[in-house]
Amino acid sequence: SQTIHQWPATLVQPVGSPLSLECTVEGTSNPNLYWYRQAAGRGLQLLFYSVGIGQISSEVPQNLSASRPQDRQFILSSKKLLLSDSGFYLCAWSGSSAGGADTEAFFGQGTRLTVV
Amino acid sequence: AQKVTQAQTEISVVEKEDVTLDCVYETRDTTYYLFWYKQPPSGELVFLIRRNSFDEQNEISGRYSWNFQKSTSSFNFTITASQVVDSAVYFCALSVWSNYQLIWGAGTKLIIKP
Repeated sequence: SQTIHQWPATLVQPVGSPLSLECTVEGTSNPNLYWYRQAAGRGLQLLFYSVGIGQISSEVPQNLSASRPQDRQFILSSKKLLLSDSGFYLCAWSGSSAGGADTEAFFGQGTRLTVV
Repeated sequence: AQKVTQAQTEISVVEKEDVTLDCVYETRDTTYYLFWYKQPPSGELVFLIRRNSFDEQNEISGRYSWNFQKSTSSFNFTITASQVVDSAVYFCALSVWSNYQLIWGAGTKLIIKP
């Protein structure tokens, strides 16, 4: 069966520090991968998605970046965190399809990031 | 452009009551997909159901049921005989063919009181 791992679960970082959140998927190949951010009490905002190794699409311009060095690994990074980067970050995967997001996505447990 | 509206920000009911969560969507595409997700206090999003635009059959899964009506662009979710464990934020989402984005509603916070 497929599983998705995301870590760390919580993170407190000072303003201006770097960030690296990692997500890995097991039990499937060539998944679509997603990074979302959820502000407190709000809906989900898509940050990045990837349909293959090295292929990253950015939905929101910001000081975050994403990389997919391996088929089932998705990394969210920042060189210098801002206070506004605080939030709940969720990684997700879905089956690959030429039809886009036509299959359900499965989410990791999330990382609660607080920038102080 | 696509849009999902969940007009109910928060609903509070007493356990064992039935409750319906509304979802209204907008799209000009003829091929699209609708989803419901549950987000319990732990934060992880749990997939509940997916419907494609060509399948208007209603779905029942235990105490959960979904009513998809293209005529009103709605995909409503009903919980029968609600339980405290149903307390969560519920999201409705929409995607269209060849687009990798999910368009999310703002979510409805459901509180089930014992």
